[in-house]
Order: sequence, then C-alpha cells, then structure tokens
Amino acid sequence: DVKVTQSSRYLVKRTGEKVFLECVQDMDHENMFWYRQDPGLGLRLIYFSYDVKMKEKGDIPEGYSVSREKKERFSLILESASTNQTSMYLCASSSYKRGADTGELFFGEGSRLTVL
Amino acid sequence: LAKTTQPISMDSYEGQEVNITCSHNNIATNDYITWYQQFPSQGPRFIIQGYKTKVTNEVASLFIPADRKSSTLSLPRVSLSDTAVYYCLVGPRGYSSASKIIFGSGTRLSIRP
Repeated sequence: DVKVTQSSRYLVKRTGEKVFLECVQDMDHENMFWYRQDPGLGLRLIYFSYDVKMKEKGDIPEGYSVSREKKERFSLILESASTNQTSMYLCASSSYKRGADTGELFFGEGSRLTVL
Repeated sequence: LAKTTQPISMDSYEGQEVNITCSHNNIATNDYITWYQQFPSQGPRFIIQGYKTKVTNEVASLFIPADRKSSTLSLPRVSLSDTAVYYCLVGPRGYSSASKIIFGSGTRLSIRP
C-alpha cells in the first residue's frame, strides 16, 4: 500500500522556536509538496520539489524553508515559529509517467502545529 | 490558472444520490478536472479525474458537458461515511503540473441517517 508518512501528528511549539516537519514517501515519486490548511482558506501550497535538491516556492513561502536531500524525504522548516503559523500542515507526493499517469497527489495524514 | 466555484456545503440522507457541481468558466484546453475527498484529520484522497463526457469508477461518476465550463461529481447511494469535504480542482497534467493545481475551500457534504 502506497504511503506518505509525516513524522508528527501533533506538535506544540513556542514562538521563536525552530520547527522541523518531516515527510517520507515510499512510492519513488519525483514530486513532493508541502501545503498548509486553514479553516475557510482551503489548502495553500508552501513549497514543492520536483527532484532531489530542487525546490520551488509555492503561493505562501514566507517564513518557511524546505530541504530535499533524498528522493523519499522532504522537510519543512520554520526557522522562527510565529503564532500565525499555527495550522495543519499536509505533505503530498506525486509522479507523472508521460501519457499514463493522472498526476494524482498522495497525501499524508497531516501535522497539526500549534505555536504558543 | 482556472478558478473553481463550488457550493460551500450540502446536506443529504443515506441512500440518496448526491450531485456536487463545480464551475470552471476559464478552463484551458489542456486542463483536467479532478476531485478529491477529505475526511476530518486526514489528507485529501483522489476520487476521480476526467477531461470530457463521463467517467465512472467504483466510487463515483464525473459528468462533464461539451463546453467543459462545469462538472458534476455524482455519488450514488451515499452512506454516513461519505460525510467529508469534496474539492474540485482544474489543472494540467504533467511532471510539474501539480504545483499549478489550486485547492479551493471545497464543499462540505453532510449525510444524515
């Protein structure tokens, strides 16, 4: 069964702390994504990566950075957490085989971060 | 990027057929229409994808008219477990296309006994 695993389901951090959110996928997917989800705002793309060591900004990258040293792992980093980063964070992966794939996004179960 | 409009919420009863319509007036020629389902405290899950006419799988059907400016997700004989948020997405397929896909606020479907 395909799987995207996020390291922590629930985290509580203090303002100013550095926060790491880890995501691992076992499907050999090229693409990996970080979204945040807030009530009434849907899912918003923070960063995505289409290959190892490659990254591109999404719609709301401010206050975040990412790291992709290995194909299966994509980390989201909050250098100095702030209260407005309290949210549900969702990692996803996808692949595309020309002419065959739907580009389906596979999501993890999410990490609910609270910043006090 | 094609923006989608769908109802904020819908209610129905067990055993009924539910149809959720999505508007996407500025859909592009190479855009596909994809629907995801999300349960509370879980990530979204792919349900169905189509380009035109009708697509059916074991979960749902997707109806797309000739002008492709709207689409309708049809859930046959819903049960309580179909209570979820349903997202309509429009975008191209391709190795980096997922970055161009926009999730709106979705439709919150509530099924009652």
